[in-house]
Amino acid sequence: QSALTQPPSVSGSPGQSVTISCTGTSSDVGAYNYVSWYQQYPGKAPKLMIYEVTKRPSGVPDRFSGSQSGNTASLTVSGLRAEDEAEYYCTSYAGKSNFYVFGTGTKVTVL
Amino acid sequence: EVQVVESGGGLVQPGGSLKLSCAASGFTFSGSHMHWVRQASGQGLEWIGRIKIKPDNYATTYAASVRGRFTISRDDSKNTAYLQMHNLKTEDTAVYYCARPGIGWYSLDFRGQGTLVTVSS
Repeated sequence: QSALTQPPSVSGSPGQSVTISCTGTSSDVGAYNYVSWYQQYPGKAPKLMIYEVTKRPSGVPDRFSGSQSGNTASLTVSGLRAEDEAEYYCTSYAGKSNFYVFGTGTKVTVL
Repeated sequence: EVQVVESGGGLVQPGGSLKLSCAASGFTFSGSHMHWVRQASGQGLEWIGRIKIKPDNYATTYAASVRGRFTISRDDSKNTAYLQMHNLKTEDTAVYYCARPGIGWYSLDFRGQGTLVTVSS
């Protein structure tokens, strides 16, 4: 099972929006509406930001939003803030055998 | 407060074995499937495997990269999950996290800081 493909890095100025893509296949992203997104600071555990493609856990700012089209899911961070600078990973359910597949990760830099 | 504490990491030679523990508190451990995820230094996250709860016969599922070498188990009386690793390879060097199911379907909730496993001669 190959990792989902994410751009290595994206950047934006405070207040701008950035979008991170997550490309999989018809066996994972395209097969299920079970894409999640995680934010990770250096040396820290990942934090769930989006689940089931578009849903936000309680406490996650509504600046974070998710979407999906076919085999590609996306995370958009609107109104960028300094504290959004982190690594972001997508993941998708991939069926009973492979279960979970993570993305390659994207470093978000706030300029 | 929900907490998990991973422990048992350390330095091991290639071909060696190590057993990691994940001690949980603050939630109904016996009612939660538990997962292991690892992250090599400067690299991405990799799902390793999962153990289900007792009603599901503690069924396990593993990633292809560790299948046959790693075994996940649990002791509900101790609120602890385990990851037994055999025939370790240098590429198994990573921080190992345990995670419980997150909100909704097929998300994960990470609450620990992980434990570092280094495979080197």
